[in-house]
Amino acid sequence: DQQVKQNSPSLSVQEGRISILNCDYTNSMFDYFLWYKKYPAEGPTFLISISSIKDKNEDGRFTVFLNKSAKHLSLHIVPSQPGDSAVYFCAASASIQGAQKLVFGQGTRLTINP
Amino acid sequence: ETGVTQTPRHLVMGMTNKKSLKCEQHLGHNAMYWYKQSAKKPLELMFVYSLEERVENNSVPSRFSPECPNSSHLFLHLHTLQPEDSALYLCASSHSGTNYGYTFGSGTRLTVV
Repeated sequence: DQQVKQNSPSLSVQEGRISILNCDYTNSMFDYFLWYKKYPAEGPTFLISISSIKDKNEDGRFTVFLNKSAKHLSLHIVPSQPGDSAVYFCAASASIQGAQKLVFGQGTRLTINP
Repeated sequence: ETGVTQTPRHLVMGMTNKKSLKCEQHLGHNAMYWYKQSAKKPLELMFVYSLEERVENNSVPSRFSPECPNSSHLFLHLHTLQPEDSALYLCASSHSGTNYGYTFGSGTRLTVV
């Protein structure tokens, strides 16, 4: 049973336009949500997070929106740049004895076309 | 060296071999993790260590044996693996009490032949 789902395996966007990546989750106990970006042959790198008590968090070109009633979050990238081409993972966090247990979605491959 | 370092980057092993993956972090974090990434599947949590104590074992077969001798080092000992264990194994670390996510290493690409 997958608790975090990214239903779009890939997304292609024109440079300069907005990229919207979506994620759904099933467990109401998650207290933080995060987005990671992954390039080939590298580990995922942290991009942006949002607490479950907020509905929006913005950092430069990246904004994450959380809709708790729908158990849905999205990542907006605007304007999209060629360097944004990567695989994006959504993750949900639950605390476990001082550590953070992250449950990841399957990832969405974003391609920004010049 | 800073960040999370994993060695080796690539490993090919036979099903009867014993090998170990190593992870080292220099970030002052006190929690460390092993994840497995197989093709077309989400990252799967394998083990969680907090303050050098294992706090989660996510139904991982005993042919995978983790070891956390101190807060900076994490090992994954491998023994009699199967070809379906071939995957990218990622180590990560975090600081307890924060929710800024993990810092990941670059991973070890494991192939079992």
